[in-house]
Amino acid sequence: SQQGEEDPQALSIQEGENATMNCSYKTSINNLQWYRQNSGRGLVHLILIRSNEREKHSGRLRVTLDTSKKSSSLLITASRAADTASYFCATEEVTSGSRLTFGEGTQLTVNP
Amino acid sequence: DTGVSQDPRHKITKRGQNVTFRCDPISEHNRLYWYRQTLGQGPEFLTYFQNEAQLEKSRLLSDRFSAERPKGSFSTLEIQRTEQGDSAMYLCASSSRYYEQYFGPGTRLTVT
Repeated sequence: SQQGEEDPQALSIQEGENATMNCSYKTSINNLQWYRQNSGRGLVHLILIRSNEREKHSGRLRVTLDTSKKSSSLLITASRAADTASYFCATEEVTSGSRLTFGEGTQLTVNP
Repeated sequence: DTGVSQDPRHKITKRGQNVTFRCDPISEHNRLYWYRQTLGQGPEFLTYFQNEAQLEKSRLLSDRFSAERPKGSFSTLEIQRTEQGDSAMYLCASSSRYYEQYFGPGTRLTVT
């Protein structure tokens, strides 16, 4: 079953703008991970944030985690056409061992 | 540094045939995972191994599916008597404990 729910399902922006995607989940987690997937290809790991962390940065990416609201956000700053992809959040639940539960993803389109 | 590799990348088979996929994880990773992804959806967990032990199997993994990881290195996923509903991308990932999962490029299965 899908635990993470991404919002919005689709997002279209102009190059140079910022893109924000949100993820909500239902159960207690060990960590939350964000992945990118270009059309029909494998998943690329972007960032992992642990349950005791509130914010992490990696290059143009900023991830926040609010465990009280069971939500996370991914911010991509100064977007580029190459950022066009599907973005998924995935949770490692406390009770589920180390398997990941993915949401349905946000399709981001960055127009040049 | 080689990533996760999967073979074949594409497989077209007729309904009722058996297929086998192979995954080679990152060498120092002791955990290996299989996921399945259909169009427009996030990946869904199938099974995972810690070393050679299969620790968890999803209810999605019917008795037509079997996975092995002999000697805790590469893994194979076999689907017997394939059905059209088995058409999907089969993704393999590997990790060390408490760390991010790295995905391979996937094997796209089409059952005709």
